[in-house]
Parts: sequence; structure tokens; C-alpha cells
Amino acid sequence: DAKTTQPPSMDCAEGRAANLPCNHSTISGNEYVYWYRQIHSQGPQYIIHGLKNNETNEMASLIITEDRKSSTLILPHATLRDTAVYYCIVRWGTDKLIFGTGTRLQVFP
Amino acid sequence: GAVVSQHPSRVICKSGTSVKIECRSLDFQATTMFWYRQFPKQSLMLMATSNEGSKATYEQGVEKDKFLINHASLTLSTLTVTSAHPEDSSFYICSARDPAGGPNTGELFFGEGSRLTVL
Repeated sequence: DAKTTQPPSMDCAEGRAANLPCNHSTISGNEYVYWYRQIHSQGPQYIIHGLKNNETNEMASLIITEDRKSSTLILPHATLRDTAVYYCIVRWGTDKLIFGTGTRLQVFP
Repeated sequence: GAVVSQHPSRVICKSGTSVKIECRSLDFQATTMFWYRQFPKQSLMLMATSNEGSKATYEQGVEKDKFLINHASLTLSTLTVTSAHPEDSSFYICSARDPAGGPNTGELFFGEGSRLTVL
């Protein structure tokens, strides 16, 4: 079973920051937080992952709370092409990825 | 970045026939690949873990005799849906991990998916 909870859907205006929350209150000390997204009818795309420090790459930033029980994925300037389902997944090492229901992000003009 | 390719991207078959879907890692060797299935408006469901040179590990509730997985080389895994029926119609997605990423940076790369329609 997925060990994360995400809102089913969110809207964001184009050009604005999209902040997608994820609750993972039962995360264990050696589990990482991964974010993937899936654009309609395509395979999932890796976005970012982290353990306890905040992370940033060319796609997004990941903010993990100090107790590690929740995190937020930030897309700093959302575009229409960021419309997708975003999945937050906790995972240990190279274990298999178990997807939850994700958040459907709709970016509007 | 690493690329995983699936073929075919779409396939339509008659009920009772078997269909093979290929998953290839194009620029890295993958000892482990994963197969997922996704029904419309639902999330991805892990079906099995494909291990090079050994038997696949199936998730609970997935029939191993119906979904045959072969991982004969470090760059190729195949999923064969045997005696397909309309309820097997789905989006099948494979993924692979680039072991060069290290033990705790196990970014999984996903294929483009294969849409199976059984008439």
C-alpha cells in the first residue's frame, strides 16, 4: 500500500508557483521521498527526491519538514505543460516504487 | 538521461491471442526491471519485478501464468499477456533502474507505455 496522502486535485495559474503537499507521517528513517509526474497517456517522469534536506534541481524544489512527516513539491513557475498527475512516493533504497493516487494538477492560462 | 523504450506503443488483438510487449534500456544495463499496469483514471499498479537471469517476482493477485515475464539480457525484458481477454485491456508500463546511480539514488526510468486493446 502507498504510504503517502495527497490531495486529489489542485489548480494553478500559469506563471505562478505550484505547491503540491504530501503527507508521509509513517516514513521511516532510511526512506527517501520521491516525486514523479505522469502526463496523460505517457510513462511517469522522475522529478526529484530527497531524504531530509531540501533539494532543488532544474525542474522543481522539494521541501521536507524537519520531522520528515510531510513534504512539498514546488514548481516555481508553472506552465501549461506542467499539467499532469503528480505522485509522491516514499521508498527505501532501490526498492520498488508503489504509486498512490497522486494529485492531478491543472495549470490554467 | 537514461532512456527506457517500449514496443509496441499500441496493440490491438483478438480475444484468446497472446501479445508480447518489449521493454529495453537503451543506454544502461538493467538487472532489474518493473512492470506496471494502469487502467483509465487509476494509478499505476505494480505487477511484477523482472530480474535478469532469474524468475520474475509477481505481486499478490497477479497471475504469473497469464503474464509471462522474461528478462533474458541486461537490456531487455518482455511481458507476454497470454490468452488475452477484454478485461486485460490496459496501459502497460515498464521501468528500469540505472545501477550506476548508486544504492540510494535509485531513480527509476519509465518507458512510454504500451496500450493494449483486446477485442
